[in-house]
Amino acid sequence: DAGVTQSPTHLIKTRGQQVTLRCSPKSGHDTVSWYQQALGQGPQFIFQYYEEEERQRGNFPDRFSGHQFPNYSSELNVNALLLGDSALYLCASSPGTRGGGTDTQYFGPGTRLTVL
Amino acid sequence: GQQVMQIPQYQHVQEGEDFTTYCNSSTTLSNIQWYKQRPGGHPVFLIQLVKSGEVKKQKRLTFQFGEAKKNSSLHITATQTTDVGTYFCAGPRDAGNMLTFGGGTRLMVKP
Repeated sequence: DAGVTQSPTHLIKTRGQQVTLRCSPKSGHDTVSWYQQALGQGPQFIFQYYEEEERQRGNFPDRFSGHQFPNYSSELNVNALLLGDSALYLCASSPGTRGGGTDTQYFGPGTRLTVL
Repeated sequence: GQQVMQIPQYQHVQEGEDFTTYCNSSTTLSNIQWYKQRPGGHPVFLIQLVKSGEVKKQKRLTFQFGEAKKNSSLHITATQTTDVGTYFCAGPRDAGNMLTFGGGTRLMVKP
């Protein structure tokens, strides 16, 4: 039973560029949440996708957008990258029957994004 | 908005000593979850507490949920080097489903 997978593992971009990160949820999970974790801090909720729609959104600008596909996989897109976007981006999946806040979050290994 | 605070931020202990981290929410939580993140790793779910005053144990780890459901603690008895990592508490934010994480407590164990 594969867990949550993310790609790529590491990514280096320059300011102003755009980036797409990918996530495949744990088998049997239909809800995907994205988190940003800056160095030395706790994960910050970006948004959650369920049934291919954004269901919840944290306090992140519109430069952060996402998508969920029919197979439940998801993408996180960040436009006009800023130095402050450098962080570990974590994808988490959950069964989603009661909502991500109640369900256990199964995290992927993350994508380390560095913006120069 | 909801805030979840954890103390201490860092804790150095000698192997065999006990360790406790405390979590406080500005609002009442329907449940609280604890996660462990090893250095260079990703958060891994440890446990969820739902009931007021609930206490759960996992081997040397004891988790408590406060009576008012606004605070929680994690206590590790006789720490081992394998306990090294950052421990996060997290609770559902407001009326929504998204999790708000505390800042974490980084545990370092000296052998």
